[in-house]
Amino acid sequence: GAGVSQSPSNKVTEKGKDVELRCDPISGHTALYWYRQSLGQGLEFLIYFQGNSAPDKSGLPSDRFSAERTGGSVSTLTIQRTQQEDSAVYLCASSPGLASLPDTQYFGPGTRLTVL
Amino acid sequence: QKEVEQDPGPLSVPEGAIVSLNCTYSNSAFQYFMWYRQYSRKGPELLMYTYSSGNKEDGRFTAQVDKSSKYISLFIRDSQPSDSATYLCAMSADGSARQLTFGSGTQLTVLP
Repeated sequence: GAGVSQSPSNKVTEKGKDVELRCDPISGHTALYWYRQSLGQGLEFLIYFQGNSAPDKSGLPSDRFSAERTGGSVSTLTIQRTQQEDSAVYLCASSPGLASLPDTQYFGPGTRLTVL
Repeated sequence: QKEVEQDPGPLSVPEGAIVSLNCTYSNSAFQYFMWYRQYSRKGPELLMYTYSSGNKEDGRFTAQVDKSSKYISLFIRDSQPSDSATYLCAMSADGSARQLTFGSGTQLTVLP
């Protein structure tokens, strides 16, 4: 079946603009995650959704970052007033969210964000 | 200091070599230990995982966990050019392995 998809694949924006990044999880997966990967760095956890609720927002770096998930499916990560340090690859993952352990995360290809 | 440390490499080996990739960690509560492979411009994919201590083998890949030393390893036997990728270790202290802490990744190149 189809994997996790993300759009756009690349986004170039000017400092101060808002951007929206989209994630379409694997059908039926109840859990969804956003990560950020900067050059030479590991994945930095941003936020986790179970259904449409976000029990863990601890990784959002500032109040310029927000995310929502609707219909238990598509999620949007919004960055307001972008800064150059926001430049990174933003990765989305989904997992079944069922009782089987571990709840394996499947990643999308990422959105490469460049803030000029 | 980061909770998970991983040598970034780059590591370059000839085809057929045995590759050893390693991570150290500081959080003794970690119970799931995972290895992800990430090809250039792609998302990470789970290679294998280990729960608690011990070894796990899957084809040419072997994962080892030494909780007493807080040290994990991934061995690749008979390495192939198609193994060229960045390898990320990830760990979790929660029972469902949803909260993952990643290493920074080791870039591996296998030369034909």
